[in-house]
Amino acid sequence: DADVTQTPRNRITKTGKRIMLECSQTKGHDRMYWYRQDPGLGLRLIYYSFDVKDINKGEISDGYSVSRQAQAKFSLSLESAIPNQTALYFCATSDGGTSSYNEQFFGPGTRLTVL
Amino acid sequence: AQRVTQPEKLLSVFKGAPVELKCNYSYSGSPELFWYVQYSRQRLQLLLRHISRESIKGFTADLNKGETSFHLKKPFAQEEDSAMYYCALINTNAGGTSYGKLTFGQGTILTVHP
Repeated sequence: DADVTQTPRNRITKTGKRIMLECSQTKGHDRMYWYRQDPGLGLRLIYYSFDVKDINKGEISDGYSVSRQAQAKFSLSLESAIPNQTALYFCATSDGGTSSYNEQFFGPGTRLTVL
Repeated sequence: AQRVTQPEKLLSVFKGAPVELKCNYSYSGSPELFWYVQYSRQRLQLLLRHISRESIKGFTADLNKGETSFHLKKPFAQEEDSAMYYCALINTNAGGTSYGKLTFGQGTILTVHP
């Protein structure tokens, strides 16, 4: 299922570098999300966007920024990477509206290591 | 603030044994609850949602508002059930419209031994 894709899949970088993670989707969904996954902490929401003109902070947005270039593209940037941003990052999409459409569809993840 | 708690990080059972993955939540509104699963080398995907009241792959989950729980159960575990399981909550308004934000629990790694 290639409906939600993430690039790169793996990245190793150094402290202080700027990093961009990209997410693309072909599902036609308006809503897109960025999460990070850490062992023992589950998935935590970084940013979300309900449409191209709507960007919202999640619970752990400090140190991150996002750009919604189009309905299909949502990028996550680390302006100055630090080691505690080492994690697995997931992009997800969903349709909006009623509860019948609340399922989120996830990308394969990007494993980021900050040295 | 909404919160989802999965008290067990690891759960091991033998094939054919019953399994229950616990999930408790705190939310003052009208929640919609989900179980997501991540099999080895696969994407995180929806397993089931409480509003559908369905059984998927033999799993069921009942929303207990009194106990604020949404435990996932299966009477006879299979080896292919081994995976990471996440309980998640999404807040909705009275009309069922989603605000779109999922809150996940910490996850439970289920291992089913042969």
